[in-house]
Order: sequence, then structure tokens, then C-alpha cells
Amino acid sequence: GQQVMQIPQYQHVQEGEDFTTYCNSSTTLSNIQWYKQRPGGHPVFLIQLVKSGEVKKQKRLTFQFGEAKKNSSLHITATQTTDVGTYFCAGPPRGGADGLTFGKGTHLIIQP
Amino acid sequence: DGGITQSPKYLFRKEGQNVTLSCEQNLNHDAMYWYRQDPGQGLRLIYYSQIVNDFQKGDIAEGYSVSREKKESFPLTVTSAQKNPTAFYLCASSIQGRNTEAFFGQGTRLTVV
Repeated sequence: GQQVMQIPQYQHVQEGEDFTTYCNSSTTLSNIQWYKQRPGGHPVFLIQLVKSGEVKKQKRLTFQFGEAKKNSSLHITATQTTDVGTYFCAGPPRGGADGLTFGKGTHLIIQP
Repeated sequence: DGGITQSPKYLFRKEGQNVTLSCEQNLNHDAMYWYRQDPGQGLRLIYYSQIVNDFQKGDIAEGYSVSREKKESFPLTVTSAQKNPTAFYLCASSIQGRNTEAFFGQGTRLTVV
């Protein structure tokens, strides 16, 4: 079946440093979505990318979708303590099934 | 205030018992989903429903059952056949399925004692 791989699994940064998480799919995706889950919380939608090579920005967050639509990245500039949490990428499964296939997530830990 | 409500937040179950997790949404979404999350893991799809009175198995449906009698409600039953039911269960909905944003409930943390 389809797999969505995310690296790294954990990332420790000093507050103010940049952070990047990478997502790779075994198949071409029609779209990719990113979610953030705070400790003890539930996933919250951040963004959806649809077009090949697409780049979107939300303040300090930059999202990219690869040209082949099989990989994506999330980059955070100058991390803040509010950025703590787990970042997941997710894409539609192969075929006509509904739902999303999630990566295992990258846990961002920020040291003040 | 629109959203998805899951209850209870915490649930303890004895081995061999069935338990039902509630999920209600007032977003008027057609599609609803149940995911399971284990520590350090991503979310895995249990069941989904695109319309009332219809639902489909996800990747890990064994030991679970669902119903969709109303658009607003999508309860999940964890049966005694589920070998390792201790997990965090998340209900979600979306307006048009796989290509649209998913809204998640607060989750139910199930522990088997």
C-alpha cells in the first residue's frame, strides 16, 4: 500500500533556530496536507498543496510541494516556543478510497 | 459554535468488554472518519463514511465497528476482538472527503485495564 515517510522523527532546536521536516510518498499525490498537533491535543490543519512545485507561506512557515508531487517540506524560520508540537504530512490513499494516509510525524522540541 | 465533539475524553475498559466512542459534528459535513493514534505514531484510518447509511473499512478495521444512521453522528465500537485497543482515538470530518481539510475532535483516550 501507499506509504508516507517523514523525517526526522524528532528535532531538538534552540529557540530562534530554523526547523525543517521532510515528507516523501511512495506514489504521486493529488495533494498533500500538513497538520500540527500540540502535546495532548488533536491535529489541526495547516495547509494543503495541490500544484507541482507549489510554495506557500504562512508567516514564519514555508510549505513546498515537489515537482513530481511525491515529496513535500515544511520549514519554520526562527522557531518560537509556540511552535512546539508534532507536524504531520498526509495525502490521499491510492485508488478511490477516502481518508488520508499520514506520516509518523516530526516532533519539534524547542529549548529556550 | 461549530465543530466535532468526542466523548468521553478518557475511557477505561476491562478486557473482553465492548465500548462505544461517541462522535458528533455540526459542520454539516458529509464525510466522517475514525483514526487511531499510538504513541510516537502517525494516524491510521479505521473506518470512514461518505454518506449516511454507508461506511467503508480503512487500513485497520479489524476489531472495530461503526454506524452512520445520522449525518451528524459516527460512533465507533471497539469490540473484544480488538487485540490491542489501548490508544488515542480521533474522529474527523471533511466537507468533500480526501481532497479537503479534515477537522478533528478532541479525541478519546482508551485504556484497557
